[in-house]
Amino acid sequence: EAGVAQSPRYKIIEKRQSVAFWCNPISGHATLYWYQQILGQGPKLLIQFQNNGVVDDSQLPKDRFSAERLKGVDSTLKIQPAKLEDSAVYLCASSPLLGAAQETQYFGPGTRLLVL
Amino acid sequence: AQSVTQPDIHITVSEGASLELRCNYSYGATPYLFWYVQSPGQGLQLLLKYFSGDTLVQGIKGFEAEFKRSQSSFNLRKPSVHWSDAAEYFCAVGGGSQGNLIFGKGTKLSVKP
Repeated sequence: EAGVAQSPRYKIIEKRQSVAFWCNPISGHATLYWYQQILGQGPKLLIQFQNNGVVDDSQLPKDRFSAERLKGVDSTLKIQPAKLEDSAVYLCASSPLLGAAQETQYFGPGTRLLVL
Repeated sequence: AQSVTQPDIHITVSEGASLELRCNYSYGATPYLFWYVQSPGQGLQLLLKYFSGDTLVQGIKGFEAEFKRSQSSFNLRKPSVHWSDAAEYFCAVGGGSQGNLIFGKGTKLSVKP
């Protein structure tokens, strides 16, 4: 079974530029998560989708971050414009069921973003 | 509010020695508890999880964890550490209607030969 795929793996941009990350979850997984992991911290949830609907985006900085999950499969996370403090690893995860608390989340390798 | 505390930022153990990584949580109801491991440049991999039943949980790679409600703890243990166990370990609590995870800040494990 293929895991969660993410691209690109690394990205370097200048502040005020825009950037987009892509995630392909495990086939058939209903729930998709985007996390931000700043150096020295644990992952922090940015947004959670169930199928193609948003169920939690309370920690997403909506003035600059946006995300969508087309047709309930792939997802993109965009930052526009980027700030220095957005430098982090962006992790995508998926789980089979609709937000069940005991579900295992399967993580992709992440995209490491450096904003200069 | 839900929170997870991992008191140790960095631990170094000798290969073959035993290991215990500490995790304390704050959660209003019965928590779902997880330990994930992250190797350099990799995503997180689930080691084990607890949501009910036996408070001693067995995981992959020889790890186990014990849920102690009275101490609000879920410490991770391994009797004999291997060099390949060097990584960062994250404790997480899940719950709520959407199954969101709250992660601790992680403990980096180094293994001496």
